[in-house]
Amino acid sequence: EPEVTQTPSHQVTQMGQEVILRCVPISNHLYFYWYRQILGQKVEFLVSFYNNEISEKSEIFDDQFSVERPDGSNFTLKIRSTKLEDSAMYFCASRASGGFTDTQYFGPGTRLTVL
Amino acid sequence: DQQVKQNSPSLSVQEGRISILNCDYTNSMFDYFLWYKKYPAEGPTFLISISSIKDKNEDGRFTVFLNKSAKHLSLHIVPSQPGDSAVYFCAAGDNFNKFYFGSGTKLNVKP
Repeated sequence: EPEVTQTPSHQVTQMGQEVILRCVPISNHLYFYWYRQILGQKVEFLVSFYNNEISEKSEIFDDQFSVERPDGSNFTLKIRSTKLEDSAMYFCASRASGGFTDTQYFGPGTRLTVL
Repeated sequence: DQQVKQNSPSLSVQEGRISILNCDYTNSMFDYFLWYKKYPAEGPTFLISISSIKDKNEDGRFTVFLNKSAKHLSLHIVPSQPGDSAVYFCAAGDNFNKFYFGSGTKLNVKP
């Protein structure tokens, strides 16, 4: 069964450093998402991406964050200058189409630790 | 941001019995609702969805009920199995591309 993959599984970085989290969505999917889950808290929507542009973003997704689909397979989340409070599990997800009944498939997540 | 709430952090149920997980939301503009299951060290897995034009959707052992006037939805699992033990999240949104999640309910199904 096709799946969403994410690398690395765990990223440790120093505060102020830039990080790039990588995702490979399912190959025929057109809609892409990033979520995060701070330890012990709820899953939070960050951004959705379609047709090479952001379609929705949350209040969390400020100028420190950016997303890109640099080629036909990868979907990346960049945090320009990490803060301690960026420590969280980051999940990528993809969906074949924008229809509500289409399932959103999540990757296993990248645990980001900011020291 | 407390637009979606799951007030029970945990639920314990005997195998074979019904599990009922509850979710409340505050935004009357929400039209789309989903339930996800999450195991440790994995991403959420989609379970079942419902839109506001319906009040019930059933898929095998899983049924979601929506009460729009009360802004409440629930997930029923019948019969519950030990493999159902996981954290269950409800999510709600007013469009297909932005969903707000609840804080999750940890279900433990005892053999």
